[in-house]
Amino acid sequence: AQKVTQAQTEISVVEKEDVTLDCVYETRDTTYYLFWYKQPPSGELVFLIRRNSFDEQNEISGRYSWNFQKSTSSFNFTITASQVVDSAVYFCALSEARGSTLGRLYFGRGTQLTVWP
Amino acid sequence: DAGVTQSPTHLIKTRGQQVTLRCSPKSGHDTVSWYQQALGQGPQFIFQYYEEEERQRGNFPDRFSGHQFPNYSSELNVNALLLGDSALYLCASSNPGRQTGELFFGEGSRLTVL
Repeated sequence: AQKVTQAQTEISVVEKEDVTLDCVYETRDTTYYLFWYKQPPSGELVFLIRRNSFDEQNEISGRYSWNFQKSTSSFNFTITASQVVDSAVYFCALSEARGSTLGRLYFGRGTQLTVWP
Repeated sequence: DAGVTQSPTHLIKTRGQQVTLRCSPKSGHDTVSWYQQALGQGPQFIFQYYEEEERQRGNFPDRFSGHQFPNYSSELNVNALLLGDSALYLCASSNPGRQTGELFFGEGSRLTVL
């Protein structure tokens, strides 16, 4: 069965601090996708990144970086020099891969990040 | 380029009533998925529609049904509403043909059942 665990329910930091959001997943599939989404108060889930199970390269996009480690089934997300606008709920998600079809997403319970000025 | 649009944004119903939620996918997308997000929880997959057929379904009772139209828009219907159906209902669209793996979400329809 697919499962995503985000152990951190809430995190508070002060602006300019670095923060890492943890994500651990379980799956029996050998091919799968991992995602991070941001959910601001408006409710819309904003896509941040997708990672294929066979690509363990870390990725950096501006102040965001992601560390994918298959050996520990983790896909952690780091925000460098956090800003107040980063305040939101962040979800990690896992998807089955069925050929070219994006399968259902299994979400974690989310981590509420609050960045104080 | 319009993203995923959902209507209504908010609605209040009473137990036992029926509700219909609507979703227009992002331009160029042909697959629509519906998710239920209870307060403080992550979204839970309800079902996915492609070519007007239900392709995948999550662990939701038959009271939850859907439809996809030829223009790819979709409806989610919930019958015999229960208090526990109160949640944010999110619609997401994707285009498998592009294989980008991105799933675009709308802002959701917030349903309150009294």
